[in-house]
Amino acid sequence: QITLKESGPTLVEPSQTLTLTCTFSGFSLTTTGVGVAWIRQPPGKALEWLGLIYWSDVKHYSPSLRNRLNIMKDTSKNLVVLRLTDMDPLDTATYFCAHSLGFWSGSFYFDHSGQGALVTVSS
Amino acid sequence: QSVLTQPPSISAAPGQAVTISCSGSRSNIGYTSVSWYQQFPGKAPKLLIYDNNKRLSGTPDRFSASKSVTSATLDITGLQTEDEADYYCGTWDNSLSAGVFGGGTKLTVL
Repeated sequence: QITLKESGPTLVEPSQTLTLTCTFSGFSLTTTGVGVAWIRQPPGKALEWLGLIYWSDVKHYSPSLRNRLNIMKDTSKNLVVLRLTDMDPLDTATYFCAHSLGFWSGSFYFDHSGQGALVTVSS
Repeated sequence: QSVLTQPPSISAAPGQAVTISCSGSRSNIGYTSVSWYQQFPGKAPKLLIYDNNKRLSGTPDRFSASKSVTSATLDITGLQTEDEADYYCGTWDNSLSAGVFGGGTKLTVL
């Protein structure tokens, strides 16, 4: 059974760095073709794809966040960390991590995600 | 502004059928396969369909999907009140080297 859970601060001040941890079980990030993606959703708005790290440590980032976003993995601890610098109130959103598939078809989809973590950016 | 375009809302009566469209381009839908997600308020999105038309185990067969060139559609037949939710399409964009989603469609079952 695959489970994922996001953890981190609920409140971040503008210009600070957000660090979120995704702790997962039921799969390994050493398995070929597997990835963990980060997705966010501002209140009342649509899903936004942020980035993805594959088993191979290849990473992809949203072009709009590429200079602010870093995703790392620790396969021994079954976790993935998201770091988003220079936070702005517009980054207020629920952040989801997700078990990502689609590598072999050159696509992207996720079949499991965490419940989400609401992060508010405010002073 | 989402890379994939969906109608913001759609409504129908119980028992009827609806089609939700998702329009993209050659670099995303025209390049690779599409997935569809259902999301209830306050909940995480849930995968319904992947690889254009494959239902995830547990997805009712009332849900079906297809793709044609640079567009995709999600069809829901025999609408039930519990189908009232937001629906998102998603895929990979080869030009952006990033995943992309549609803006979501709010389905209201009257």
